[in-house]
Amino acid sequence: GENVEQHPSTLSVQEGDSAVIKCTYSDSASNYFPWYKQELGKGPQLIIDIRSNVGEKKDQRIAVTLNKTAKHFSLHITETQPEDSAVYFCAASKSNYQLIWGAGTKLIIKP
Amino acid sequence: SQTIHQWPATLVQPVGSPLSLECTVEGTSNPNLYWYRQAAGRGLQLLFYSVGIGQISSEVPQNLSASRPQDRQFILSSKKLLLSDSGFYLCAWRKVNEKLFFGSGTQLSVL
Repeated sequence: GENVEQHPSTLSVQEGDSAVIKCTYSDSASNYFPWYKQELGKGPQLIIDIRSNVGEKKDQRIAVTLNKTAKHFSLHITETQPEDSAVYFCAASKSNYQLIWGAGTKLIIKP
Repeated sequence: SQTIHQWPATLVQPVGSPLSLECTVEGTSNPNLYWYRQAAGRGLQLLFYSVGIGQISSEVPQNLSASRPQDRQFILSSKKLLLSDSGFYLCAWRKVNEKLFFGSGTQLSVL
């Protein structure tokens, strides 16, 4: 079955620097790749998503890139701020199937 | 716009007691509904999903059950809670092949 691996499990960056989280997936038929941010004690919130017909998508300081050949996609956060501290989850799915989740990355922004 | 309501936010229950968590969605019809569980500091585990009234699929064998008595209502239940049922429970919804939205979660502590 589909498997999604997410790295690193913990990422600590200086405020103002960039953060990159990577995920790889196993099923080449996957065509939808969302990223979620979860703050402590809250439900995950969708922050950006990308479909397989697009290689990159950007929304202000957040961007996602997709490499279908290598079967990996990445979340990029630029100019990190304290409020970016959270756990980030990636996921992958193909049409009409459930989302398969990565294990999560705890992002720590150091002041 | 669509909203998802999940309650209660926090619940402390003794071992062997029953459980009922409720989730309702507003502003949409025929959503796919999901129950997820998170152990402390861990990832998202899909417990149940439903594509329609009375249709429940279970992803993992467990002490819990789910029901969907109405189109936009999803209930998670147990007849007798175990210590291992403790965790953060999340309800979520999506339309087929569209974005997944989570509720605010219920922190369940079984003592």
